[in-house]
Amino acid sequence: DSGVTQTPKHLITATGQRVTLRCSPRSGDLSVYWYQQSLDQGLQFLIQYYNGEERAKGNILERFSAQQFPDLHSELNLSSLELGDSALYFCASSVEGAGGNTIYFGEGSWLTVV
Amino acid sequence: GQQVMQIPQYQHVQEGEDFTTYCNSSTTLSNIQWYKQRPGGHPVFLIQLVKSGEVKKQKRLTFQFGEAKKNSSLHITATQTTDVGTYFCASIRSNDYKLSFGAGTTVTVRA
Repeated sequence: DSGVTQTPKHLITATGQRVTLRCSPRSGDLSVYWYQQSLDQGLQFLIQYYNGEERAKGNILERFSAQQFPDLHSELNLSSLELGDSALYFCASSVEGAGGNTIYFGEGSWLTVV
Repeated sequence: GQQVMQIPQYQHVQEGEDFTTYCNSSTTLSNIQWYKQRPGGHPVFLIQLVKSGEVKKQKRLTFQFGEAKKNSSLHITATQTTDVGTYFCASIRSNDYKLSFGAGTTVTVRA
């Protein structure tokens, strides 16, 4: 158990819909990362927050947005869903936001768009 | 695009044999991390290398950071079925905070 909690574990939704994935970081970790993993794309970095502020942005689509709340939990919002958005979405956390920190991954949220 | 390239993409190993997976970058890396993801699981941190030429060992796993800090390798000796999974290297560019992962090397073991 990494200490990072993600909900829901599985989600099936229709194209065009909107979903929210939730992440609670490890106790004491200030930084949260979101990654998308699909079979042919590996682990794609989406976005990182540190203590409530956006720290780094990766290949995140405009249809996707995220935020980190004062209690440090984070949400990833995916809208106007397409079939290609089906993937495993990981949240990870670390103590700090800079390089050199071990990041701990949650078990992921499986999203299936039908 | 990915900052680091991993080779090979797939590694089929006979149980008991050794193998090496490589991670290469065109730019100097501040550090490199290695993760293992078991089938159906999530990535788990294995180790971090920071210094030029650094070598670290974890039982049958040997990690090395190149002298120029542009490449890294993971060598596993006497492969066991428990070594099955995908091994990722990851690094952060010196000018931003993006922790980017390589495509991974997926290892299967023949008993």
